Amino acid sequence: GAVVSQHPSWVICKSGTSVKIECRSLDFQATTMFWYRQFPKQSLMLMATSNEGSKATYEQGVEKDKFLINHASLTLSTLTVTSAHPEDSSFYICSATAARDRVDQPQHFGDGTRLSIL
Amino acid sequence: AQSVTQPDIHITVSEGASLELRCNYSYGATPYLFWYVQSPGQGLQLLLKYFSGDTLVQGIKGFEAEFKRSQSSFNLRKPSVHWSDAAEYFCAGAVVRTTDSWGKLQFGAGTQVVVTP
Repeated sequence: GAVVSQHPSWVICKSGTSVKIECRSLDFQATTMFWYRQFPKQSLMLMATSNEGSKATYEQGVEKDKFLINHASLTLSTLTVTSAHPEDSSFYICSATAARDRVDQPQHFGDGTRLSIL
Repeated sequence: AQSVTQPDIHITVSEGASLELRCNYSYGATPYLFWYVQSPGQGLQLLLKYFSGDTLVQGIKGFEAEFKRSQSSFNLRKPSVHWSDAAEYFCAGAVVRTTDSWGKLQFGAGTQVVVTP
């Protein structure tokens, strides 16, 4: 149980384009989803927290207009990297939790999306 | 400041030998603590978690961790390592907010485990 699917797993695109990454909870209702960014050989850095039906809360230093997050349903959150540039290349990971139902629910992670901007 | 620290960046262990990964935490209250494993190019898989109660926690894949309040530690152990255990291991902590929703999950820097034949 507690499966989180992230799509695509790998994307390459030209500089200036926008890229959308999807994060789906397959077998539970994800009231809260998190988006992380991970640089090579480094830990995960939280970018934003999104609650279903609410605006995302961004961490300090994360550009809201660059990284658009939508959490329109209890099973889907999307991260759109707008006007992507090479410095946005990274490994993006989402996680989901059914925190409102059970406080002891841990975060369940997707397999990540490797984004490469040429 | 609230934080989780993994002192060892890299550990090499022989297959069949025991493994211990260190994790120290700094929180005002007892946090919820987790160990995750990440294989190359993949997301994180939860190995085990500690919320309260028995301080020795059993997880998947033969891993266990012991919560020691006096040492502010939550070290991960495995008695006999298999080649498939080679991966990056992350310790993480979180404090539950009063609204019964999750606070931020803070990750340690990670420990890379290499398993030699």
